[in-house]
Amino acid sequence: DGGITQSPKYLFRKEGQNVTLSCEQNLNHDAMYWYRQDPGQGLRLIYYSQIVNDFQKGDIAEGYSVSREKKESFPLTVTSAQKNPTAFYLCASSMGVAPNYEQYFGPGTRLTVT
Amino acid sequence: ILNVEQSPQSLHVQEGDSTNFTCSFPSSNFYALHWYRWETAKSPEALFVMTLNGDEKKKGRISATLNTKEGYSYLYIKGSQPEDSATYLCASPNFGNEKLTFGTGTRLTIIP
Repeated sequence: DGGITQSPKYLFRKEGQNVTLSCEQNLNHDAMYWYRQDPGQGLRLIYYSQIVNDFQKGDIAEGYSVSREKKESFPLTVTSAQKNPTAFYLCASSMGVAPNYEQYFGPGTRLTVT
Repeated sequence: ILNVEQSPQSLHVQEGDSTNFTCSFPSSNFYALHWYRWETAKSPEALFVMTLNGDEKKKGRISATLNTKEGYSYLYIKGSQPEDSATYLCASPNFGNEKLTFGTGTRLTIIP
């Protein structure tokens, strides 16, 4: 069954702690993305990666970091520098970054930081 | 940042009725327009990717049109069913830029 998995579904952390969200895909896609959703706002791009060992900042990268050591995996670390980390995080992938490629999304992780 | 706007924000439609909603985007430097359906507790799912002015795409009872000169796309649902209840997102990338900018979505509720 091909698709994107994100874990965990819900995550709770104390303020000041770094936390890593997992994203794995078995679609053999080159490109992967991390988005954040907040109430009343569209999905906002945090980071994206066109290929292994390469990634680019999106519109709201501050306080986040990523790695792309394997084609299948694109973990996102929410650092203590992120001022408002509580949000719903979606991972996506596509065959390439060309804008005509549709994106495939995971089920998301809801992060709550108190 | 490219502004992608959707209207209405939410919509209640009687089962069996047809409906439509709008996505608007800056018409300059257009490259592509994406529509996604996002059902509650599921992942967003691609409906259409449209690139040409005048494009019309169809998937079952759902269809979409694209006007790149005036910067809008319509999504139509014919004979709404309860399973059509979802948030419908549109997105468009900046020309020469791989990043998609998403609208805030239209939340559609079908009333049985």
